[in-house]
Amino acid sequence: SSELTQDPAVSVALGQTVRITCQGDSLRTFYASWYQQKPGQAPVLVIYGKNNRPSGIPDRFSGSSSGNTASLSITGAQAEDEAEYYCNSRDSSGNHLEVFGGGTKLTVL
Amino acid sequence: QVQLQESGPGLVKPSETLSLTCTVSGGSISSYCWSWIRQPPGKGLEWIGYIYYSGSTNYNPSLKSRVTISVDTSKNQFSLKLTSLTAADTAVYYCARGSYYYDSSSRAHYYFDYWGQGTLVTVSS
Repeated sequence: SSELTQDPAVSVALGQTVRITCQGDSLRTFYASWYQQKPGQAPVLVIYGKNNRPSGIPDRFSGSSSGNTASLSITGAQAEDEAEYYCNSRDSSGNHLEVFGGGTKLTVL
Repeated sequence: QVQLQESGPGLVKPSETLSLTCTVSGGSISSYCWSWIRQPPGKGLEWIGYIYYSGSTNYNPSLKSRVTISVDTSKNQFSLKLTSLTAADTAVYYCARGSYYYDSSSRAHYYFDYWGQGTLVTVSS
């Protein structure tokens, strides 16, 4: 399968921990990468690989993976973390295609 | 710091061809993988295709018959052509750099580490 499935919306109380998940067969082969997108802005890479953060991404963002599910966790969510989050990986069909999840809208209460 | 900048028309007529260019600065295009990604208004991200600096390409099967991506290493640019446009092609178009790393099993894992700001293309007569 070339699909990645995400919950459309998740909410978290300010300062609490939230997990955003992404499911797909390709995640048994490839790690997901995660992107944060705020309204009117381009996506920003927040996690890639097993659990790597680009320079400038706060360490409250972390990634994990198990079986066909990848997770993005935010420990101590801040108001500025409210955004849309997308997962992405290569297709495991062997055709080297890229696929994105449908996105999860995170609301910080 | 690598920067990407999309350029091209903001309005294209139905049935015509869209041509966009992405200019890469702060780094050489002669490595990595370079992608086009689009986002219809209010919707999610859709990968269109990528090109390696060598010129090899791969396209989203749903768009493959209408897409051509090319690279001009002398100008540090890569380009997108999308033919037979319809209103469904209205979207913000992003260019992005694809990077990868190898895990302990020597498997490559990919990600998009730099993105352009995006350019809105509207298909309308």
